[in-house]
Amino acid sequence: AQSVSQHNHHVILSEAASLELGCNYSYGGTVNLFWYVQYPGQHLQLLLKYFSGDPLVKGIKGFEAEFIKSKFSFNLRKPSVQWSDTAEYFCAVISSRAAGNKLTFGGGTRVLVKP
Amino acid sequence: EAGVAQSPRYKIIEKRQSVAFWCNPISGHATLYWYQQILGQGPKLLIQFQNNGVVDDSQLPKDRFSAERLKGVDSTLKIQPAKLEDSAVYLCASRPGTGSSGNTIYFGEGSWLTVV
Repeated sequence: AQSVSQHNHHVILSEAASLELGCNYSYGGTVNLFWYVQYPGQHLQLLLKYFSGDPLVKGIKGFEAEFIKSKFSFNLRKPSVQWSDTAEYFCAVISSRAAGNKLTFGGGTRVLVKP
Repeated sequence: EAGVAQSPRYKIIEKRQSVAFWCNPISGHATLYWYQQILGQGPKLLIQFQNNGVVDDSQLPKDRFSAERLKGVDSTLKIQPAKLEDSAVYLCASRPGTGSSGNTIYFGEGSWLTVV
């Protein structure tokens, strides 16, 4: 079955540490890839997206992600986190093989940044 | 531009009662989605509309959930009767569907449902 997997459910780190969140998908075909962030009590916001072109995508708030087609991965990175990055992060995929361009989410990773 | 509007933001009901959530997508967006996000999980697609037609409702519990988008603009999601396990955030989202950014999906703030 087609799925999106996020490796870590919870991540705890200190300010200024580097962050990398893993995301793998099992879809074939052309994919559009997204990372969304959900701050406590707030709605989902788009961090970055990949449709085509340069596989290294830069998003808002210093985040970037790299699409590695051979590994079916789209990992999110930030070189130096801040306390305000405490949130839940969701990877999501649209596959050309999914009917109606359905957006499927991973289970999310909760990130806690200690001040 | 105005975002995806949802109401009510919060609702507490007793089990077996009914509830309805409303969504007004971004103007001109043909595709509208309803997602269910249970605490600690990723959003799960309940139903997807293209204009006023249903594209995918395979994960909608049709014995208790219903949704409509009669004029192809705003939409209503209803739960009747509610169960405890329906406690979740119900997210509405919309997508332009055209152009290079046609697949970017925009989310509303969600309707938080607690069933007691």
